[in-house]
Amino acid sequence: SAVISQKPSRDICQRGTSLTIQCQVDSQVTMMFWYRQQPGQSLTLIATANQGSEATYESGFVIDKFPISRPNLTFSTLTVSNMSPEDSSIYLCSAGTEYYGYTFGSGTRLTVV
Amino acid sequence: AQTVTQSQPEMSVQEAETVTLSCTYDTSENNYYLFWYKQPPSRQMILVIRQEAYKQQNATENRFSVNFQKAAKSFSLKISDSQLGDTAMYFCAFMKEGYSTLTFGKGTMLLVSP
Repeated sequence: SAVISQKPSRDICQRGTSLTIQCQVDSQVTMMFWYRQQPGQSLTLIATANQGSEATYESGFVIDKFPISRPNLTFSTLTVSNMSPEDSSIYLCSAGTEYYGYTFGSGTRLTVV
Repeated sequence: AQTVTQSQPEMSVQEAETVTLSCTYDTSENNYYLFWYKQPPSRQMILVIRQEAYKQQNATENRFSVNFQKAAKSFSLKISDSQLGDTAMYFCAFMKEGYSTLTFGKGTMLLVSP
């Protein structure tokens, strides 16, 4: 199964600024996924990152707030834009296949002050 | 839309004992996958076990096994010989075949004590 490196592991940001989170996979994968996990909660899918096309966003998430790049089959970034304290969460990327299952990056703990 | 329900917010077990975590789901699909993930305090999501809906045989991975009841839409996780390192949040997840996105339950916090 895929091994995913995610960075930064944590950051404290000022409101109104933006943070870009990176995920690198050790093998080529068709789709990568970005999730948000608010404190003490389960995971919510933000979007699916497809190589060569725009990301597909879930209800409640928009491209202007969470722009995603997918320049190749092993890398993706998620930007959290114009941050507010409500964006304080853990952000996780994921990749894999139905057969082998999906692995996750180690997560980015974001605190907005 | 699919939903996943974990009715036990917290569970406790003593070391070396066996514990079962419950998960039920709702779907009209016939082909799908089910997963259990573990998230320790390090917050790394770790795949524990997976089950294909078309397989009648229950999946096992060392001390972890599932009881998959397709008609009842139930997918419980049994942890045998519990270890302190099993302390974590456990999430049950559903994926429709061909869709690749996971729907998670709210999680069960398992505490293993000496």
